[in-house]
Amino acid sequence: AQKVTQAQTEISVVEKEDVTLDCVYETRDTTYYLFWYKQPPSGELVFLIRRNSFDEQNEISGRYSWNFQKSTSSFNFTITASQVVDSAVYFCALSDYFGNEKLTFGTGTRLTIIP
Amino acid sequence: EADIYQTPRYLVIGTGKKITLECSQTMGHDKMYWYQQDPGMELHLIHYSYGVNSTEKGDLSSESTVSRIRTEHFPLTLESARPSHTSQYLCASSELGQGDTIYFGEGSWLTVV
Repeated sequence: AQKVTQAQTEISVVEKEDVTLDCVYETRDTTYYLFWYKQPPSGELVFLIRRNSFDEQNEISGRYSWNFQKSTSSFNFTITASQVVDSAVYFCALSDYFGNEKLTFGTGTRLTIIP
Repeated sequence: EADIYQTPRYLVIGTGKKITLECSQTMGHDKMYWYQQDPGMELHLIHYSYGVNSTEKGDLSSESTVSRIRTEHFPLTLESARPSHTSQYLCASSELGQGDTIYFGEGSWLTVV
């Protein structure tokens, strides 16, 4: 069965530090999709990135970068030069055929950026 | 930005009341979802739909019901609310293809007293 593990429950860093959020997944499928979402205190889920299992290239978007490694079933997310506005809960999620294409979420990592 | 709207955003009601959480999307998406999330916890799928007249139960058992009479509208109803239903309910939608991005609404915070 599909599963997403975010082992870091809470992380606190001082503003301007870099921080990496870990995500490890399990799936039987060879074709699957991985996502990261941000949930600020207001509660909505903001889509950050979608990556399919055939594309192992790392991606950078401004201060955000993602490292996808199929060999270790990981899809880690790094924020460079963190800012207070980055404080939120971040969820990693998996969509695969055996999950009937529904999103399976990890338990989330609460990131606090200290000014 | 996603065009998916939920009302009400916040609701406090008494035990035994019937409530309907509204969800509408203007993106023409066929798939729609309801997720339930307790504060600080993970999200659990409670209902989903592939299109008009399609409704399926999700991974987490829920006493709520849903309907899909129009593509853009996917309301969730609790016939008799209980304190155990206190939670955030997040509506979402996506296109039909595998792995299509799921876009979420702002959520409805329900408190049953």
